[in-house]
Amino acid sequence: QVQLVESGGGLVKSGGSLRLSCSASGFTFRDHYMTWIRQAPGRGLEWISYISGSGTFKNVADSVKGRFTVSRNNAKTSLYLQMNNLRAEDTAIYHCARVASGEADVGADLWGQGIMVTVSS
Amino acid sequence: FILTQPHSVSGSPGKTVTISCTGSSGNIATNYVQWYQQRPGSAPTTVVFGDYQRPSGVPDRFSGSIDRASNSASLTISGLKTEDEADYYCQSADGSTWVFGGGTKLTVL
Repeated sequence: QVQLVESGGGLVKSGGSLRLSCSASGFTFRDHYMTWIRQAPGRGLEWISYISGSGTFKNVADSVKGRFTVSRNNAKTSLYLQMNNLRAEDTAIYHCARVASGEADVGADLWGQGIMVTVSS
Repeated sequence: FILTQPHSVSGSPGKTVTISCTGSSGNIATNYVQWYQQRPGSAPTTVVFGDYQRPSGVPDRFSGSIDRASNSASLTISGLKTEDEADYYCQSADGSTWVFGGGTKLTVL
């Protein structure tokens, strides 16, 4: 079954850290860029980060640069998002998504259900 | 780089609606445009990627296009169904970063 399942969310205090995981199955994980996208309550979608299939190429949005780090373990078919120095404005549902090809620019074609992260001030 | 979408559109069952996505600068045709559907209370799903490609399982009632003259992309949904009622987001790239439009709420009357 082709799917993405996120885990690791929860409630954390401002300034704290969380590590999100995304477990992939049903497709050749290493062949795809992967991305994290979030949605604050009542707001639109916001791109956070992506990583190449090999893990060599990464990029993060300015809003989280220096605080969030994306990584992956192809042997475990898992994607990660390390979030440090969390702020109230990071409160959102975080989705992992598969990029449609081995390049970063064709967009996502498969989404996880998302995991809630709540940062209390 | 900003992608601008109408706040809302509406249509009747069986009819056709088009949602636009206009780039603030440059040439929207330079990078691929994607369209994502988000039904209330659900995760987003992809209806169009790579300008016009549909993931398996997405009906051909959904089609994407690019209009270079107006620097815009469009999602056209034909044969509207009540299940199409959702928020729709366009997405493209600005260099090496992804950009989302603000979203359009589609109401099927």
